[in-house]
Amino acid sequence: NAGVTQTPKFRILKIGQSMTLQCTQDMNHNYMYWYRQDPGMGLKLIYYSVGAGITDKGEVPNGYNVSRSTTEDFPLRLELAAPSQTSVYFCASSSLEETQYFGPGTRLLVL
Amino acid sequence: AQKITQTQPGMFVQEKEAVTLDCTYDTSDQSYGLFWYKQPSSGEMIFLIYQGSYDEQNATEGRYSLNFQKARKSANLVISASQLGDSAMYFCAMRELFYSGGGADGLTFGKGTHLIIQP
Repeated sequence: NAGVTQTPKFRILKIGQSMTLQCTQDMNHNYMYWYRQDPGMGLKLIYYSVGAGITDKGEVPNGYNVSRSTTEDFPLRLELAAPSQTSVYFCASSSLEETQYFGPGTRLLVL
Repeated sequence: AQKITQTQPGMFVQEKEAVTLDCTYDTSDQSYGLFWYKQPSSGEMIFLIYQGSYDEQNATEGRYSLNFQKARKSANLVISASQLGDSAMYFCAMRELFYSGGGADGLTFGKGTHLIIQP
């Protein structure tokens, strides 16, 4: 019972590089989310999706893009990495009125 | 817009004592859910307890209970008989309920309380 999985666990990027954070859930949830957590802070919503083909911006979307081609997968793309994007990234999923289940997180360092 | 306030950045508690972690919220929504998550030093987010705004009774899950005072807009987490393994960051969060037309846009989190249980 995998739940929500994220890859990679840790990554170091140089300024200007791009990368994709992968997120997969096996619970057949329609709703999926990307959050970032900066040191000493709570989580902030980057993007969310209510189903395959439907995505929308959250509180802090600048510098990121997402796609949702299947129910299971919700990748997050960083196009031009900046030091301000150093953070821990969490993917989550939920069904109607259920709590959100979180993946283990991806720790990203941009130097 | 929704807002969560956790006024206790850190707490030290003796093992086996009860702990209350404060959470106040602000929202114009009539239908909403309140959540508590635990984040140990390993980093994962662990769901603890949920309270719906229309639930008349306070939620309980084992040693966790949620002291919900709707008029005061507070949703404090109570941990009974604390254990060393309870040492972690604790986050209060909320969202509008799906059936009222919202909620799809994720959770709003507070800044968290760092709880340290001392032997």
